[in-house]
Amino acid sequence: KNQVEQSPQSLIILEGKNCTLQCNYTVSPFSNLRWYKQDTGRGPVSLTIMTFSENTKSNGRYTATLDADTKQSSLHITASQLSDSASYICVVSRSGAGSYQLTFGKGTKLSVIP
Amino acid sequence: SQTIHQWPATLVQPVGSPLSLECTVEGTSNPNLYWYRQAAGRGLQLLFYSVGIGQISSEVPQNLSASRPQDRQFILSSKKLLLSDSGFYLCASPLGQGPNTEAFFGQGTRLTVV
Repeated sequence: KNQVEQSPQSLIILEGKNCTLQCNYTVSPFSNLRWYKQDTGRGPVSLTIMTFSENTKSNGRYTATLDADTKQSSLHITASQLSDSASYICVVSRSGAGSYQLTFGKGTKLSVIP
Repeated sequence: SQTIHQWPATLVQPVGSPLSLECTVEGTSNPNLYWYRQAAGRGLQLLFYSVGIGQISSEVPQNLSASRPQDRQFILSSKKLLLSDSGFYLCASPLGQGPNTEAFFGQGTRLTVV
């Protein structure tokens, strides 16, 4: 069964600290993996995309890693800011039958406090 | 560029009343379209999936239905709303192909059933 599991479910950190969010998946055949940021009451917005051959990708203070062998990904946030408070969702795309299927994790709710 | 429009943005409806949420896509043709629900404090739950006009797949049994009357239009409906139908509804589509598949989201509809 195609699944995406994220951990932790929620996380509270102090402003300026770093944190790492985890994503494990069983989706196959794998096309790509994306991390999304969802502010409360808004639609998710893409942060990074990782394909099979990519191990690390950065977007400002966000760095995503992918281990396609173990089917694990992480999102590292450096020097957190209050505006980083949001839900972070891992989404894996599956290729097959000419269309691309999406499997969503349940997200990690991050709260950055002053 | 591709965009997804959802309306209304917020909706308060009494129990037992009908529902119609609309999603339209611009900038692409024959997109796969998804309806997701996000209950308070929960992750995204896939409700319906459509690969084309008149083609609807339901992921979970529920009080809702979906229709795809036109290529770029996806409608979520209910004949009689339940309290448990409250939540944040998102329309999404995987746009693009290959390793750069992007999942675009509408801005969502906040539904409160009272």
